[in-house]
Amino acid sequence: DAGVTQSPTHLIKTRGQQVTLRCSPKSGHDTVSWYQQALGQGPQFIFQYYEEEERQRGNFPDRFSGHQFPNYSSELNVNALLLGDSALYLCASSLGGSGWPQHFGDGTRLSIL
Amino acid sequence: QQQVKQSPQSLIVQKGGISIINCAYENTAFDYFPWYQQFPGKGPALLIAIRPDVSEKKEGRFTISFNKSAKQFSLHIMDSQPGDSATYFCAAGISGGYNKLIFGAGTRLAVHP
Repeated sequence: DAGVTQSPTHLIKTRGQQVTLRCSPKSGHDTVSWYQQALGQGPQFIFQYYEEEERQRGNFPDRFSGHQFPNYSSELNVNALLLGDSALYLCASSLGGSGWPQHFGDGTRLSIL
Repeated sequence: QQQVKQSPQSLIVQKGGISIINCAYENTAFDYFPWYQQFPGKGPALLIAIRPDVSEKKEGRFTISFNKSAKQFSLHIMDSQPGDSATYFCAAGISGGYNKLIFGAGTRLAVHP
């Protein structure tokens, strides 16, 4: 039973660039949520995708955008990267009906130079 | 109002002892309370979760105690083992058209042999 998979595992970018992170949900799950985890802190909710639409967004600027594909996989895009965007980006998947629990992947570590 | 306050920040326990981590919340709209365990370089892994209509839930060595009137919940790890050394996060979930988790800041647990 494949869990949540994320790629790439690590990424180094410079300020002003843009980045795309990818997520494949756990088998049977149709809902994907993205979280940002800064070093030494708890994850913070970015947004959630269900049926290819963003259905809830956290307190993140429009530079953060996403997409969900018909196979339920998802991408997180971040434009105009800032130093403060350096973090672990986590994808969590769940089943849309109940919504819980959410299962997390191991994340993409994004470093901005 | 959407904060989850977690304490202590760090905890040292001897092997075989009981580890206790506490969390408090304000928003009565929260309806799902999970605990996650995170090892370095890995994503959060779901340990145990509880709904607000239950006061206690036990799974193996892990127990959640939930006090709805005090808006507090705690994780007890019985017979703590060195392999339990990790960072633990409490979270509170909001449902209703979407599912969003608000995380505490984390507790770094070290179990000494």
